[in-house]
Amino acid sequence: AQKITQTQPGMFVQEKEAVTLDCTYDTSDPSYGLFWYKQPSSGEMIFLIYQGSYDQQNATEGRYSLNFQKARKSANLVISASQLGDSAMYFCAMRDNNAGNMLTFGGGTRLMVKP
Amino acid sequence: DTEVTQTPKHLVMGMTNKKSLKCEQHMGHRAMYWYKQKAKKPPELMFVYSYEKLSINESVPSRFSPECPNSSLLNLHLHALQPEDSALYLCASSLLGVWNEQFFGPGTRLTVL
Repeated sequence: AQKITQTQPGMFVQEKEAVTLDCTYDTSDPSYGLFWYKQPSSGEMIFLIYQGSYDQQNATEGRYSLNFQKARKSANLVISASQLGDSAMYFCAMRDNNAGNMLTFGGGTRLMVKP
Repeated sequence: DTEVTQTPKHLVMGMTNKKSLKCEQHMGHRAMYWYKQKAKKPPELMFVYSYEKLSINESVPSRFSPECPNSSLLNLHLHALQPEDSALYLCASSLLGVWNEQFFGPGTRLTVL
């Protein structure tokens, strides 16, 4: 069975600083994809970044980067130069073949950016 | 076009009403999904359609009835709902395979009185 764990229910960060949101996962399938989504208070789930299990390099998308440590089964999201608009819920998610390649979500982390 | 659209944005209905939620995508995705999300919780998968056929039903009560008329449209028919069904209903679509992200619509906020 697959499982995604986000241990930080809520976090504060000062504007313009970097922040790391933690995510650990568990799967026996060697082929899997890891995803991060942002959900502002409006409700829409916005895809941020993706990491494949066979990718050799950490994924980056603008201010977002993924610190992928395969041996530790962790896929932490790093947001650099935080902005007030980054305040939102962040979900880590995984797809693997064990779960019929459905998307399984972690419990989420609420990030609040302070001015 | 990398957008999933959902209508309506908000819906208030009584327990005896029948209503439908609609979802549309034009990205050529052959997998479409319905999720239910309660406040401060992650989305919960309800249904999956793959090539317009229902492939997964996560033990959802029969008062929720999905329909996929074609490869671009996904409906969720609602009948005799309960107040505890009040939630954000999200539609998503994707290519098949573990490497592909799901694209989500803006959701429908449903309130059952």
